[in-house]
Amino acid sequence: GAVVSQHPSRVICKSGTSVKIECRSLDFQATTMFWYRQFPKQSLMLMATSNEGSKATYEQGVEKDKFLINHASLTLSTLTVTSAHPEDSSFYICSASGVREETQYFGPGTRLLVL
Amino acid sequence: AQKVTQAQTEISVVEKEDVTLDCVYETRDTTYYLFWYKQPPSGELVFLIRRNSFDEQNEISGRYSWNFQKSTSSFNFTITASQVVDSAVYFCALLDSNYQLIWGAGTKLIIKP
Repeated sequence: GAVVSQHPSRVICKSGTSVKIECRSLDFQATTMFWYRQFPKQSLMLMATSNEGSKATYEQGVEKDKFLINHASLTLSTLTVTSAHPEDSSFYICSASGVREETQYFGPGTRLLVL
Repeated sequence: AQKVTQAQTEISVVEKEDVTLDCVYETRDTTYYLFWYKQPPSGELVFLIRRNSFDEQNEISGRYSWNFQKSTSSFNFTITASQVVDSAVYFCALLDSNYQLIWGAGTKLIIKP
């Protein structure tokens, strides 16, 4: 149980385009989903927290207009990187927590490369 | 301040050796949770264990064991008889009162055949 999927696993795009990443909880209802960014050889950096049906809460320094988060249902959250630039290239990871909020279950991550 | 410290940046051992990964935390909360996650080269984070602050019992799961000591604010992770497949980055994390994870910097474990 507690499986989280992420799609796509890898994406390469041109500078200026927008990229949408999906995060799904496959076998549980995710009341809260988290989006992280991880640079090479570094720890995870929380970007935002989203609860189903409400606006995401962004961490300080994360541009909400740049990284659009939608958590429309209890099993799906999306992160859209708008007008992507090379500096947005990174590994993006989502996680989800259900009724027992203590544990976050992580998706496999999405590697974004912006050319 | 809430903080997790993994002082070991990288550890390299030969297969079958035992290895301990250290984790020291700081928190002002009386109730809290500690976690260990494994991140293999593929990047996917694998949940290993959750421990709440009221349960100081050590836990063993196969070759993995965890030593939680509130007196020293430590939650160390030991792999017995290490295997090459154990090679990964291991993260220790603390769940804060907002249900957000405070991450350690991670320890890269290299198991040589």
